[in-house]
Amino acid sequence: AQTVTQSQPEMSVQEAETVTLSCTYDTSENNYYLFWYKQPPSRQMILVIRQEAYKQQNATENRFSVNFQKAAKSFSLKISDSQLGDTAMYFCAFLNRNFNKFYFGSGTKLNVKP
Amino acid sequence: KAGVTQTPRYLIKTRGQQVTLSCSPISGHRSVSWYQQTPGQGLQFLFEYFSETQRNKGNFPGRFSGRQFSNSRSEMNVSTLELGDSALYLCASSPQMGYEQYFGPGTRLTVT
Repeated sequence: AQTVTQSQPEMSVQEAETVTLSCTYDTSENNYYLFWYKQPPSRQMILVIRQEAYKQQNATENRFSVNFQKAAKSFSLKISDSQLGDTAMYFCAFLNRNFNKFYFGSGTKLNVKP
Repeated sequence: KAGVTQTPRYLIKTRGQQVTLSCSPISGHRSVSWYQQTPGQGLQFLFEYFSETQRNKGNFPGRFSGRQFSNSRSEMNVSTLELGDSALYLCASSPQMGYEQYFGPGTRLTVT
């Protein structure tokens, strides 16, 4: 079975600064995707970024980028120029595409301070 | 496109009752998954439906059941409610199995 570990339950960052959220996963599969989801206090879970395991290039979406280290099974999220609206729970997720099963980490609560 | 919608948004039930939650996926999406989210347990997978068939199931008792209709809309039913069923129930849809999921706003169920 796959496991997804987010070792930082809570983090804080000053507005306009950069923060990195950590995620590690355990799998023997090669066909998988990785995601970061954001869940603001309003509860709507939003897809932030996606990384296909077969791609070496790290995914980027505006101020959000990932550092995908496949051999180390690490998938961290970097948020640049943090904004107050980035305050949310962030979940790392692993999708086993062979069995179409999602596995979520326990989440990291990010607080962006003015 | 409209996002995933869930009804009702809030629900209060009494122990022993049953409840039905509804989810309408994004237009064109055929896969619908259900999750239970609690502060202590995080996100736990309930089941996934594709083309009206349950494809995957999590480790929940038989009191939790679901179905999917021909228009991809899905319902989840919980019978004989227990206090521990109080949670946020999230529905997520994806175009096909094996792709990213898009979540609805959730239904907050409180069992008293």
